[in-house]
Amino acid sequence: NAGVTQTPKFRVLKTGQSMTLLCAQDMNHEYMYWYRQDPGMGLRLIHYSVGEGTTAKGEVPDGYNVSRLKKQNFLLGLESAAPSQTSVYFCASSWVSRTSTDTQYFGPGTRLTVL
Amino acid sequence: AQKVTQAQTEISVVEKEDVTLDCVYETRDTTYYLFWYKQPPSGELVFLIRRNSFDEQNEISGRYSWNFQKSTSSFNFTITASQVVDSAVYFCALSTLSGGYNKLIFGAGTRLAVHP
Repeated sequence: NAGVTQTPKFRVLKTGQSMTLLCAQDMNHEYMYWYRQDPGMGLRLIHYSVGEGTTAKGEVPDGYNVSRLKKQNFLLGLESAAPSQTSVYFCASSWVSRTSTDTQYFGPGTRLTVL
Repeated sequence: AQKVTQAQTEISVVEKEDVTLDCVYETRDTTYYLFWYKQPPSGELVFLIRRNSFDEQNEISGRYSWNFQKSTSSFNFTITASQVVDSAVYFCALSTLSGGYNKLIFGAGTRLAVHP
């Protein structure tokens, strides 16, 4: 049981390049999330998904797109990378409940540098 | 507005000292959940505890304990007899049912350094 995995672990891009980050979970969770972590700011939600085929914007969605074609995978795309997107990106997943909020389990993170 | 404040940016202690990490939250929701996560130097985020707004009982897990006080909107985390392996960044987070999804609002984190 691998939990939440992320690919790649590190990446360096030039301004304007594009890339896709892959998140996979094997816990059969309905909800998946993408966060970015910047120094002194904690984690901020970029996009999230409440189920296969659905996505929604979080707190800082600009410059990113996502897709959830399969329940176990959540992709984060950068179409034209900018230096401001240099960050550590975390994927998370959780169960869904109508009566409570469930614990989010995080992947190991992807460190992205945009030059 | 929902907000989590961790006023202590960095804390440095010597091994075996007790240390308390403060967390103050803001929300208008009556139902909410509070979390603590640990981020060791390796970078992953490790879940430590989840507490709902209706349960104000303090919790102890080994050397870790949590003090939840609704009257002061605080959810503080104490490590007793700290060890070098406790060195990490600790995040407090808030989640509510507003918006219909499990949105986590994180504090900025407290970096704890435990020296031998």
